[in-house]
Amino acid sequence: NAGVMQNPRHLVRRRGQEARLRCSPMKGHSHVYWYRQLPEEGLKFMVYLQKENIIDESGMPKERFSAEFPKEGPSILRIQQVVRGDSAAYFCASSPPWTLENYGYTFGSGTRLTVV
Amino acid sequence: AQSVTQLDSQVPVFEEAPVELRCNYSSSVSVYLFWYVQYPNQGLQLLLKYLSGSTLVKSINGFEAEFNKSQTSFHLRKPSVHISDTAEYFCAVRYSMIYNQGGKLIFGQGTELSVKP
Repeated sequence: NAGVMQNPRHLVRRRGQEARLRCSPMKGHSHVYWYRQLPEEGLKFMVYLQKENIIDESGMPKERFSAEFPKEGPSILRIQQVVRGDSAAYFCASSPPWTLENYGYTFGSGTRLTVV
Repeated sequence: AQSVTQLDSQVPVFEEAPVELRCNYSSSVSVYLFWYVQYPNQGLQLLLKYLSGSTLVKSINGFEAEFNKSQTSFHLRKPSVHISDTAEYFCAVRYSMIYNQGGKLIFGQGTELSVKP
């Protein structure tokens, strides 16, 4: 059973380009979370999605950032018109449908975005 | 706002010495507590968690943490560290679904543990 798969591992974009980060959750996991880790900081929640639904996007910047988790395929975090401040590690985590027993996620290895 | 504070950003220790990494959270409502470890250029791995029951929880590699509700703390300890324990450690809180739609984790800023020979 493969873990949470994120790709690419490293992504370099020039200012103004678009970045697309992909996350395939673990088999059987229908909940996906995206976190951002800025240098010297902890992880900040961005968005929580279930299949075809955004449940909580309270951590998403209001502009340029969007996320989706389609019925088929991976979850995508899209950053339009990237700026240097978007340089960070972006982590995806997945979990099964929430039950009393399932209080932890499984994290992917992250995508490290560098904007030049 | 709900928050998690890790009081030490860096903790240097010598091999075989004891270590404590401190973590405090902001609210005393129903919480679930986690410690994650991150090795360089890798993702986060769950080290241990407190959901309910015994307030002392242990990992397979010798770490332990104690949930203290009155002090809203969940400090991580190890009696004797190894070089291989060098990593960044993150404390995280997940509040009851009543207070936290979707059960997102709130992370502390991280503590960099550096074990020296």
